[in-house]
Amino acid sequence: AQKITQTQPGMFVQEKEAVTLDCTYDTSDPSYGLFWYKQPSSGEMIFLIYQGSYDQQNATEGRYSLNFQKARKSANLVISASQLGDSAMYFCAMRELNAGNNRKLIWGLGTSLAVNP
Amino acid sequence: NAGVMQNPRHLVRRRGQEARLRCSPMKGHSHVYWYRQLPEEGLKFMVYLQKENIIDESGMPKERFSAEFPKEGPSILRIQQVVRGDSAAYFCASSHHGTGSSYNSPLHFGNGTRLTVT
Repeated sequence: AQKITQTQPGMFVQEKEAVTLDCTYDTSDPSYGLFWYKQPSSGEMIFLIYQGSYDQQNATEGRYSLNFQKARKSANLVISASQLGDSAMYFCAMRELNAGNNRKLIWGLGTSLAVNP
Repeated sequence: NAGVMQNPRHLVRRRGQEARLRCSPMKGHSHVYWYRQLPEEGLKFMVYLQKENIIDESGMPKERFSAEFPKEGPSILRIQQVVRGDSAAYFCASSHHGTGSSYNSPLHFGNGTRLTVT
């Protein structure tokens, strides 16, 4: 069964340093997409970055990059040069291609990131 | 603002009352998803709708909960006879799916409706 695991309930990082948030997934579908979302204390859910299972290169979006290791089924989010505004919950999610009409995302439990000044 | 619009932002209901949550998807999006988030947890899928059709409601409780996405107007998540356990944040998301492999279409979320049942 498809599953997303985020093993770090909470993380601390010093401002301006890089931080890696872990995400492992389980699926039998060879075609899938992995997403990271940020949820600040205000509650909204903000899309950050996407990685497709067939993508040859790791995805990057500004200070966000995805360390995609397909054989290990991991898709860790790397945030470079952390800023105070990065303090938030971060969720990893997955969608399978062969889910037919069902395009729902499967979510991890999230990692709470605190950036220290 | 062309984002996903949810209202109300906060909703307080007494046990036994009805709660109606509204969601207007992003312009051009015809796919709507509803998710529920309990404190300290990730999002749990409830229902996936396209215009006038429920595609997947496997995550929605069989009783008291219903959802619709009419041809005109917003999507509505309706909870009848609310109980304290219904207190949660309810998120609506929309996406645009083209032809072929569309599994990389991100979901765009609204700001959520925080339901409190007293």
